[in-house]
Amino acid sequence: DGGITQSPKYLFRKEGQNVTLSCEQNLNHDAMYWYRQDPGQGLRLIYYSQIVNDFQKGDIAEGYSVSREKKESFPLTVTSAQKNPTAFYLCASRSPGDGAGNTIYFGEGSWLTVV
Amino acid sequence: EDQVTQSPEALRLQEGESSSLNCSYTVSGLRGLFWYRQDPGKGPEFLFTLYSAGEEKEKERLKATLTKKESFLHITAPKPEDSATYLCAVQAAGGSYIPTFGRGTSLIVHP
Repeated sequence: DGGITQSPKYLFRKEGQNVTLSCEQNLNHDAMYWYRQDPGQGLRLIYYSQIVNDFQKGDIAEGYSVSREKKESFPLTVTSAQKNPTAFYLCASRSPGDGAGNTIYFGEGSWLTVV
Repeated sequence: EDQVTQSPEALRLQEGESSSLNCSYTVSGLRGLFWYRQDPGKGPEFLFTLYSAGEEKEKERLKATLTKKESFLHITAPKPEDSATYLCAVQAAGGSYIPTFGRGTSLIVHP
């Protein structure tokens, strides 16, 4: 089945560590996104990529980094510079405009906790 | 700046008690309005896309409608399994296709 796979589902980070969240999609979508979700704050955009080898900062990019070397993959690194990384992270991709109407589809999410 | 406001923040219903969730929006030209369902600890699941005022879409007990200023998600005779957070998002015409999300309505349906 086509979809978006995020891993790991649960991740624990020690102070000062960098961690990487994986996101893979087999929907053949060009555009991919990373969101952060905190209780009561809704979805906040971290980074997005419209096409391979290109990405843009979202509203809360500080302390995060991404790469887009392959169409299927858009990993997110949470660096030690991110002071409050404990959150639920969602990866998404967008269908093309014809037919499916630019709909954004989400993965199952990854929980990151600082210990 | 695009804005999406969802109300109420939380809603408790008895099984079979129909109701509506509201999504008010401000956008400089609407490309699309999206509804999602999110279960605890999971990613949002796509429900509907609406494109123009007057449009309606249905799926099982859910019906989404759209006006020029708001969208409603009507839930008819809800069941406990309809309990979830419902998210609304708007996508502006032109620009980068990035949607603006509301904070969601948490729905609990009691048996």
